[in-house]
Amino acid sequence: QQQVKQSPQSLIVQKGGISIINCAYENTAFDYFPWYQQFPGKGPALLIAIRPDVSEKKEGRFTISFNKSAKQFSLHIMDSQPGDSATYFCAASREASGSARQLTFGSGTQLTVLP
Amino acid sequence: NAGVTQTPKFQVLKTGQSMTLQCAQDMNHNSMYWYRQDPGMGLRLIYYSASEGTTDKGEVPNGYNVSRLNKREFSLRLESAAPSQTSVYFCASRQGYGYTFGSGTRLTVV
Repeated sequence: QQQVKQSPQSLIVQKGGISIINCAYENTAFDYFPWYQQFPGKGPALLIAIRPDVSEKKEGRFTISFNKSAKQFSLHIMDSQPGDSATYFCAASREASGSARQLTFGSGTQLTVLP
Repeated sequence: NAGVTQTPKFQVLKTGQSMTLQCAQDMNHNSMYWYRQDPGMGLRLIYYSASEGTTDKGEVPNGYNVSRLNKREFSLRLESAAPSQTSVYFCASRQGYGYTFGSGTRLTVV
């Protein structure tokens, strides 16, 4: 079963608009929530991350909103640009055996920003 | 440039063939991971290694084996490839909360 559910699967916005991607998780052992950006032919790259004791984190045009009680978090991209066109993954991290951590990904959102 | 290097970048296998995907990192990270990425399913964890000498199963380990050769290298082996293993495979290393991913191996099993 999908431990981290992500929506929408695809998103098209106009240049200058706001892109919003939503995620929900089930396992309360998750303690770190990153977002990754992936361009075609590349591996995922960390975009922004949040811990559950914080309700919002902003870095430039990117903001994470976090609702611990609802077990939901979202990524907002303000003033979206064509260069933001990529696949975005939410993820959730928890401690695992042997001092490792496990990172569980959502299913991804294909964002297209029209010029 | 420092990072995670995966080889090969592309591979086509026939059903039943075997192969090893190679991964090396030069950031002195303790933990390393193998993921597979399939359309509409995100990245799913196959195996991970918390530190040199240890390996553990992830979400989808069936049909795969791994070897943590040393601190730098973590290989993924398909003993008898199946069409269901057609995917893009990513290796990653971790320090603290930060993961660094390689650029992937696109594997097709026919």
